[in-house]
Amino acid sequence: DAKTTQPPSMDCAEGRAANLPCNHSTISGNEYVYWYRQIHSQGPQYIIHGLKNNETNEMASLIITEDRKSSTLILPHATLRDTAVYYCIVLARGGYQKVTFGTGTKLQVIP
Amino acid sequence: EPEVTQTPSHQVTQMGQEVILRCVPISNHLYFYWYRQILGQKVEFLVSFYNNEISEKSEIFDDQFSVERPDGSNFTLKIRSTKLEDSAMYFCASIGAVVGRVAQPQHFGDGTRLSIL
Repeated sequence: DAKTTQPPSMDCAEGRAANLPCNHSTISGNEYVYWYRQIHSQGPQYIIHGLKNNETNEMASLIITEDRKSSTLILPHATLRDTAVYYCIVLARGGYQKVTFGTGTKLQVIP
Repeated sequence: EPEVTQTPSHQVTQMGQEVILRCVPISNHLYFYWYRQILGQKVEFLVSFYNNEISEKSEIFDDQFSVERPDGSNFTLKIRSTKLEDSAMYFCASIGAVVGRVAQPQHFGDGTRLSIL
């Protein structure tokens, strides 16, 4: 699976958009970008995934660059409950492979 | 929304004892996983299970570990003789069948905290 690079931490003011970047320059054509988060002491929570088009669901938006070498997860109106570690992960189609978690980005939403 | 459920939420066991962690994956899911997270460290893959057999395991998953799907709903992780270093959060995950060419995400439970004394 392609390696991903994320900043170790970010702050965001409550109510503002949180934009979390991820680099995945070695991604191959059949690999998807997945985002998960882990709120303290809970299991990883699936957020969103995409291949090449931008995606949006009730939780977030995913913007993937045209060359697919990077992506941004957008939480449009961050709340205190969005404070968590966010993981960007690349997996081949189907997603059956083991998920290899890195250290992710620790997002702190500030009141 | 369907959830992966894990029991117990916290298990305290004496070193050397056997422990069984239980998971109920999402109904109709076909692929099952165990991960663990030692306090302050990354989430690590242990094992994947499909069609009643192990499809992949990590170096952590040695002879002391085993998995089983004893019936149509439960998925268990057994540690035969626990060690202090087995203390961790253990997460179960499941994934459904591929529908067409659509990728599916793994859904995780909230884990069992295993404390070895």
